[in-house]
Amino acid sequence: ETGVTQTPRHLVMGMTNKKSLKCEQHLGHNAMYWYKQSAKKPLELMFVYNFKEQTENNSVPSRFSPECPNSSHLFLHLHTLQPEDSALYLCASSQAAYTQGRETQYFGPGTRLLVL
Amino acid sequence: AQSVAQPEDQVNVAEGNPLTVKCTYSVSGNPYLFWYVQYPNRGLQFLLKYITGDNLVKGSYGFEAEFNKSQTSFHLKKPSALVSDSALYFCAVIAEGGSYIPTFGRGTSLIVHP
Repeated sequence: ETGVTQTPRHLVMGMTNKKSLKCEQHLGHNAMYWYKQSAKKPLELMFVYNFKEQTENNSVPSRFSPECPNSSHLFLHLHTLQPEDSALYLCASSQAAYTQGRETQYFGPGTRLLVL
Repeated sequence: AQSVAQPEDQVNVAEGNPLTVKCTYSVSGNPYLFWYVQYPNRGLQFLLKYITGDNLVKGSYGFEAEFNKSQTSFHLKKPSALVSDSALYFCAVIAEGGSYIPTFGRGTSLIVHP
């Protein structure tokens, strides 16, 4: 295992629901990331947190709201999602972001989200 | 700007045969290149990376990749494929001097037949 856990692993929600995805890393890293993975499309970076500060919001709709209370935990709050938001949501961590690019990212197993 | 292309959605190979998964990149300046593998119901796992130095990089599980600057490629290779290598493979690039956030390709599904 990579030391990055995500819960829940599967989630089905209606368009009017509010839910949250949770990510926790046990690696002592300072950077955490949310990615969206859709079939046959490149992995889409959504948000980056570096030392608990949000440093990237890759034009993500406001129905996705991230939260990073500390360097070990990352949440993605979901509300009024659309069916096209159905995807695998991956969390990742690395020692830090915006360094020399030499660092490896460590990924969690993902949350498979289905929006009805 | 940085981008990476994986031209094949799927690669099929017989067990015991050599395999190649292709990746080409586009960056301004020097690239840092990565390969990750994703097994079913799992997150991405790091395989190998090229930062500088020897163009042939060796990684986990017997995989290697060759950095070719003139062809802007970083193809993943293995001399003898195993059925257990069947997975989704992602190439990623970071441009030196940029934001140092990787850009991933769309993935290539490798299927190794017994």
